Amino acid sequence: DAMVIQNPRYQVTQFGKPVTLSCSQTLNHNVMYWYQQKSSQAPKLLFHYYDKDFNNEADTPDNFQSRRPNTSFCFLDIRSPGLGDAAMYLCATSRGGRGSGANVLTFGAGSRLTVL
Amino acid sequence: KQEVTQIPAALSVPEGENLVLNCSFTDSAIYNLQWFRQDPGKGLTSLLLIQSSQREQTSGRLNASLDKSSGRSTLYIAASQPGDSATYLCAVERSGNTPLVFGKGTRPSVIA
Repeated sequence: DAMVIQNPRYQVTQFGKPVTLSCSQTLNHNVMYWYQQKSSQAPKLLFHYYDKDFNNEADTPDNFQSRRPNTSFCFLDIRSPGLGDAAMYLCATSRGGRGSGANVLTFGAGSRLTVL
Repeated sequence: KQEVTQIPAALSVPEGENLVLNCSFTDSAIYNLQWFRQDPGKGLTSLLLIQSSQREQTSGRLNASLDKSSGRSTLYIAASQPGDSATYLCAVERSGNTPLVFGKGTRPSVIA
């Protein structure tokens, strides 16, 4: 059973039309992450939440925002997508804290965004 | 700033040969190093995690070594199979509960 679920798997939008990607987890993990991955590139961290504490990477564009209304759900909002925002968006979770396995990431299958 | 490099980006091996995948990082002050597998168009699957105090971890046909002083890790996959064809990424964590820094990955093709 999938433990980190991303929807939609594929999203096509028009230039400038807002998009929301969702992520839900059944692991009750404290930490949730959003990564952007372009073809043949390393995943690039956009944001992460440790519980309700939001952490924004310094080079994440202002165009990108995130919400975590509860432990299970996290959303990525792209306010005005540009052609350069076409990518795979990966959600991941980790238990956090200390101890064995605290920092092992569990990824969702990803949401592929196409911008026309 | 930590940088993670994986060379080569792609390689081909005949089925049955051992796969050797390399990862190097610039800052040896790491908390742990993780190896992931990514199939085309999919998310990442965690394979192995090596704590900074460890020198290797093993899981089935997979063995990962860590040499912090030289800033290197190697993932060995024994007796490769066509199903091992995927992209393998390594990532390092600077300290506990800090985000991972990923390499771009190496994509082996195992040819039957």
